[in-house]
Amino acid sequence: DTAVSQTPKYLVTQMGNDKSIKCEQNLGHDTMYWYKQDSKKFLKIMFSYNNKELIINETVPNRFSPKSPDKAHLNLHINSLELGDSAVYFCASSQVMNTEAFFGQGTRLTVV
Amino acid sequence: QQQVKQSPQSLIVQKGGISIINCAYENTAFDYFPWYQQFPGKGPALLIAIRPDVSEKKEGRFTISFNKSAKQFSLHIMDSQPGDSATYFCAASIYPPGGSQGNLIFGKGTKLSVKP
Repeated sequence: DTAVSQTPKYLVTQMGNDKSIKCEQNLGHDTMYWYKQDSKKFLKIMFSYNNKELIINETVPNRFSPKSPDKAHLNLHINSLELGDSAVYFCASSQVMNTEAFFGQGTRLTVV
Repeated sequence: QQQVKQSPQSLIVQKGGISIINCAYENTAFDYFPWYQQFPGKGPALLIAIRPDVSEKKEGRFTISFNKSAKQFSLHIMDSQPGDSATYFCAASIYPPGGSQGNLIFGKGTKLSVKP
């Protein structure tokens, strides 16, 4: 019955690889987000999707691309992984943009 | 304009004491101010939120105080318990949605430790 679930929880990969993180929400929310939390715990929004349209695209490298097959899913694809991409990535959703956001448990990505 | 400055970075409080975390913002268009609580290995979870039409909001042991003229808001945790030990984030955004300024902008977090 997890509201926002993301997989995998841990991801260790080598530099240069391409990887994906999946996110699903069962709350019926209209907006989904991806956040990056760095080693200092700083949370920064990467993308948000509303009704399958990208409405905010922060200044993240274009190696990162969100894909939303439907309203309940927002996956994050990362190409050519770099050491600096190591972080915890959180998926979140909200009914209306920037009201209460429900976060998943995070995916700890380690690039070696 | 888009920053939210949070202090202190870390806080140690005795059980039963009051924990106070402060945030300041710059963008006067912000009108939604939530606080999130994050336990290790978990995602942030909404604790309490306020809009600037009120100066205070209380939910149980948690209170937000809001000072619009000073562009500051704070979280007070009364009767702090060891179970409150977590990282707390303040945030700000424009509500309802407002284009590129509609982001939730987070402070850098405060690690709270409540000693038994």
